[in-house]
This record gives sequence, structure tokens and C-alpha cells, in this order.
Amino acid sequence: QQQVRQSPQSLTVWEGETAILNCSYEDSTFNYFPWYQQFPGEGPALLISIRSVSDKKEDGRFTIFFNKREKKLSLHITDSQPGDSATYFCAARGSGYNKLTFGKGTVLLVSP
Amino acid sequence: EAAVTQSPRNKVTVTGGNVTLSCRQTNSHNYMYWYRQDTGHGLRLIHYSYGAGNLQIGDVPDGYKATRTTQEDFFLLLELASPSQTSLYFCASSDASTNTEVFFGKGTRLTVV
Repeated sequence: QQQVRQSPQSLTVWEGETAILNCSYEDSTFNYFPWYQQFPGEGPALLISIRSVSDKKEDGRFTIFFNKREKKLSLHITDSQPGDSATYFCAARGSGYNKLTFGKGTVLLVSP
Repeated sequence: EAAVTQSPRNKVTVTGGNVTLSCRQTNSHNYMYWYRQDTGHGLRLIHYSYGAGNLQIGDVPDGYKATRTTQEDFFLLLELASPSQTSLYFCASSDASTNTEVFFGKGTRLTVV
């Protein structure tokens, strides 16, 4: 039973375009949603996160849009760069819990 | 910056073999975790701990044991390794007081032949 779903599995965009990565979840108690970025040969690293009290979180070229009613969120990467090519994981955690539930990831390729 | 060190980075063992993966974090984090990463499955939690001597069951615990000997050290044990346990294993840690960011190590690639 997959509690956090990501789409698409893979995405290719041209340099300078906006990449949109989608995530949805089932558990209505989830209230914290981090996105992790992983490069080959490395462990995942926190990129940006949002709490369910907010509907938007921005950090430079990275923006999370959150829709609590629909249990959906998306990560927008504007002005995509080849260095953004990586796997992106959406994760979720509920209040009082100490473990993250991860989606299966989206592999992003930014072509120059 | 939080540091999580895993060893070995690569390991090959035979079916039925005994394997121990080690993890050390140097930031006095309370929580430590073991995940496995497989294509098509993402990251799945095996076991986690909130302090020395404590162990909590994760989502895919079958075939794995774990032990937290100190605040810094967390071990994953495969006592009868099977080919289905061939995977990339990540150790991670987080601070209980904030319990927000989880810091990952670089991973151990285990192959069971």
C-alpha cells in the first residue's frame, strides 16, 4: 500500500524550462512534506520542505505548491539547469511520528 | 553540517552469509534509521531507533536485525543473506527536538550472490 505517490517516474526538460514534479498522499494525518534531492553515488539530501499549514514554499528556483484538500503537492524548478539533473523524492510525516514515508522518486534530466 | 558515515561502502556476500552494515553519526542525534533503496520502490524503512538500546520496527523488517549500541552507532545485521536483499542501504539520523531534517549517509551497496 503506497502512501506517497510521485509522478512522473522520469522527466526530461530543456535548460531554462520549468520542471514540475508531482506528489500525492493518502494519510490525512501527514503534516510535513520534505523533498529530497539525490545525485548518483550520494545519499538523499533535503532540498526544500513545507508544512500543511502553508500552501506555498519558495526557495530560490525551487517552489512547493501544496493543496491540502486534494492531498497533492508539486515541486516546481524554474530556469532548470543541467546541475539539477538528479532523482527527487517526495516524503511525508505525520504529527507525533518520527519516520518519513518516501515516494518512489522522479528522475529529472535537464538537457543543455 | 551533520555527518553520517557508513561502512563498508560496497559488500559482496554469498547466499546464507552473515553481514553487518555499520553506521556512525557524529551530531548527537537521537534518531537513527536504516533504509533500503531499490529501483521502482524508492526508499523503504527497515528499522529505526531513538536512542542507545532502543529499536523500532520499520516497514520492511523481515530478514533484518538492528542494534543501537551507543548514541552514535547503529548496525544492520543480515544473518542469512538472500539475493532479495541485494540493494543500496542508507543510514540516516535526525534530531528529536526538531525532528525535521533527516541526514543521510552515502550508502552501502550490498550484493548477495
